[in-house]
Amino acid sequence: EAGVTQFPSHSVIEKGQTVTLRCDPISGHDNLYWYRRVMGKEIKFLLHFVKESKQDESGMPNNRFLAERTGGTYSTLKVQPAELEDSGVYFCASSQDRPTEAFFGQGTRLTVV
Amino acid sequence: GDSVTQMEGPVTLSEEAFLTINCTYTATGYPSLFWYVQYPGEGLQLLLKATKADDKGSNKGFEATYRKETTSFHLEKGSVQVSDSAVYFCALRGDSSYKLIFGSGTRLLVRP
Repeated sequence: EAGVTQFPSHSVIEKGQTVTLRCDPISGHDNLYWYRRVMGKEIKFLLHFVKESKQDESGMPNNRFLAERTGGTYSTLKVQPAELEDSGVYFCASSQDRPTEAFFGQGTRLTVV
Repeated sequence: GDSVTQMEGPVTLSEEAFLTINCTYTATGYPSLFWYVQYPGEGLQLLLKATKADDKGSNKGFEATYRKETTSFHLEKGSVQVSDSAVYFCALRGDSSYKLIFGSGTRLLVRP
């Protein structure tokens, strides 16, 4: 069974540009989460999808971040325009219907220069 | 709000040494507690978990006991190996929540 897959693994962009991160959850997992680790600090929750609906987006830092999950399958996280402080590792995770174990992807390392 | 505090690293040990990484939490109700590990170049993996007070989670020689009286979930291993070198994250999930709340991570370096 394939795990959670994230693309790209690394991205380096200039301040002001746009970047889109993608996450493919484990097949059949209705719950999809985005997290971020900035500058070696704690991993922070960004948002939670149940199928295609945003269940909790309380962790989204500002309106430069837009997450979508069309059709309840893969998800994208767009940062537009990117700022220096957006640099970090973005993790995606998925889980089944009940809040059981969340499986994480390898993360996307984003560097804004 | 809920939070997790874990000891700062890096922690440097010689092979076969005893490991303790401290983790304490603040939460209402009865959270579930987790240890995740990130090996170099890899994603986060669940190492072990405990869902109620006095439960002991264990995996790969690592153990942690859910202590509600001290609000702690310390990670221990009796004899570390070089392959245990990684970043370890303590986390909790509230009893009515889906999201995980993580500590800042502790880097472990085990030398031969």
